[in-house]
Amino acid sequence: EAQVTQNPRYLITVTGKKLTVTCSQNMNHEYMSWYRQDPGLGLRQIYYSMNVEVTDKGDVPEGYKVSRKEKRNFPLILESPSPNQTSLYFCASGSGTDTQYFGPGTRLTVL
Amino acid sequence: QKEVEQNSGPLSVPEGAIASLNCTYSDRVSQSFFWYRQYSGKSPELIMSIYSNGDKEDGRFTAQLNKASQYVSLLIRDSQPSDSATYLCAVDGGATNKLIFGTGTLLAVQP
Repeated sequence: EAQVTQNPRYLITVTGKKLTVTCSQNMNHEYMSWYRQDPGLGLRQIYYSMNVEVTDKGDVPEGYKVSRKEKRNFPLILESPSPNQTSLYFCASGSGTDTQYFGPGTRLTVL
Repeated sequence: QKEVEQNSGPLSVPEGAIASLNCTYSDRVSQSFFWYRQYSGKSPELIMSIYSNGDKEDGRFTAQLNKASQYVSLLIRDSQPSDSATYLCAVDGGATNKLIFGTGTLLAVQP
């Protein structure tokens, strides 16, 4: 089954404790991206990657890191999470900015 | 700051009516336009894409694009309660490979 998977689906953590949210796709897509979704602010792109080893900032990259060592994986790293990073996070993949296939989401709470 | 604007709603329509959802964007060089549907607690899914001025129809859905007015719309004919969801307009970031989403319009179809 073609899909984008994210783990974990839910995470409660404390300020400053490094965490990684994994994202994997099995559709051989070149384009992958991370979004955060907040009430009243909609979906905002954090980082995107056009291909392996090619990443670029979206609109809200501060406080986040990404890496793209393999085509299928695109982890999101929060080195020192803060409460303002509490949000719903979506990973997505596609052949470009056309049809994006979204993962199920990760709900992160930073205390 | 490139922007995509939508009325947050809720837009309430009776079952069987036409629902009209609107979106404006600020970047004149954008070339690709998308409508995603997001049910409560779920991830977004693509329902329509449009790249040229005019109308594009797919079943009960019609997307309309007017690049001169920087305006995209989605019409849903014969609206059903199952169409009740948030509809997100997305636009490519012009010269970048970003994808910019509006904040979404909540549609409620009343039985």
